[in-house]
Amino acid sequence: ETGVTQSPTHLIKTRGQQVTLRCSSQSGHNTVSWYQQALGQGPQFIFQYYREEENGRGNFPPRFSGLQFPNYSSELNVNALELDDSALYLCASSLTSGASDTQYFGPGTRLTVL
Amino acid sequence: AQSVSQHNHHVILSEAASLELGCNYSYGGTVNLFWYVQYPGQHLQLLLKYFSGDPLVKGIKGFEAEFIKSKFSFNLRKPSVQWSDTAEYFCALWDTGTYKYIFGTGTRLKVLA
Repeated sequence: ETGVTQSPTHLIKTRGQQVTLRCSSQSGHNTVSWYQQALGQGPQFIFQYYREEENGRGNFPPRFSGLQFPNYSSELNVNALELDDSALYLCASSLTSGASDTQYFGPGTRLTVL
Repeated sequence: AQSVSQHNHHVILSEAASLELGCNYSYGGTVNLFWYVQYPGQHLQLLLKYFSGDPLVKGIKGFEAEFIKSKFSFNLRKPSVQWSDTAEYFCALWDTGTYKYIFGTGTRLKVLA
């Protein structure tokens, strides 16, 4: 069974640019959640996708958007990057939406905005 | 607003000492509560979760947590820690109204051999 994978591992961008981060969910999982983890902080929930639809969203502006594909892999897109967007971005997949199923986290993508 | 507070940011213990990590939450609805752990160099993983029923929840690796509704707390405990418990621990809740997770800021535990 393949776990959750994320790409790329590290990324450096400049202010104003756009970035796309990718996540492959664990086999059989139809739900993906994305988190932002700044240094020294806990993960901040960005949004969750369930069967290709956004299912819940945290307090992030619209320049944070996402997609989930028919194979349940997912993308996180961030437009107009700001310095404060520098963080570790985590993806987690689960069998279904809601809290009853365990989330399995990926290793994260470290984004640096200069 | 919903929130999760972990007041101990860093904890250092010797092996065999007992552990209790505090977690308090602010939420008016039905709570779904979690403890996650991140070992050095590894992914975040679930330790245990509480949805309803017995307020004393047992998780992996000998950890347990007690849900005390009157205190809005969900503290993590382990009677005797090992060096391998060195990790960062996060308390979290699932907001059943808005469908979002809320994590605390984490507690870094270091266990001295």
